[in-house]
Amino acid sequence: RKEVEQDPGPFNVPEGATVAFNCTYSNSASQSFFWYRQDCRKEPKLLMSVYSSGNEDGRFTAQLNRASQYISLLIRDSKLSDSATYLCVVNTNAGKSTFGDGTTLTVKP
Amino acid sequence: EAGVVQSPRYKIIEKKQPVAFWCNPISGHNTLYWYLQNLGQGPELLIRYENEEAVDDSQLPKDRFSAERLKGVDSTLKIQPAELGDSAVYLCASSPGEVRDEQFFGPGTRLTVL
Repeated sequence: RKEVEQDPGPFNVPEGATVAFNCTYSNSASQSFFWYRQDCRKEPKLLMSVYSSGNEDGRFTAQLNRASQYISLLIRDSKLSDSATYLCVVNTNAGKSTFGDGTTLTVKP
Repeated sequence: EAGVVQSPRYKIIEKKQPVAFWCNPISGHNTLYWYLQNLGQGPELLIRYENEEAVDDSQLPKDRFSAERLKGVDSTLKIQPAELGDSAVYLCASSPGEVRDEQFFGPGTRLTVL
């Protein structure tokens, strides 16, 4: 079993839809959590950090459930430009960084 | 501010040949990472440096892979000899140094081993 698991998708949604991704992690020493976005044949870029209290950035909302060891990403009012692969990243308190394999989103007109 | 620089961007070699990748992190970033990414998978850590010290190289196949970060700035990752299964994208990333810090990635080196 991988340390960080994501549903690979693909998620195919129409413009304007709301879509949610989940990510589970197995290392209880995990301390920091992130969502990165990776466009085709490009490098990953930080989308947002995930805080214990949950956080929102425009159309994007991230939440953390430490008890169940999962994080989520909600995208509201999907845009064509949201089409990408979304990577869940978990850091331990020792600085070890583990990426999930990503969830692919395609937003269609 | 300049981002993470990697070279070369693409490399095609025959199996059993050596290959080296170079990374220049963002100025002032203490932590440097080398990742390997296969198609359809997330980046997998090969080695992490804190300044010039390799603090996590547990996933580095040391029989054929080596890395160095002289003076705690630039880094080089080497494969010798390369195998067909080494074909992948090699990503370098850097961060200021705290666990909560964002990682900034370079564009990667796409390696093809024939």
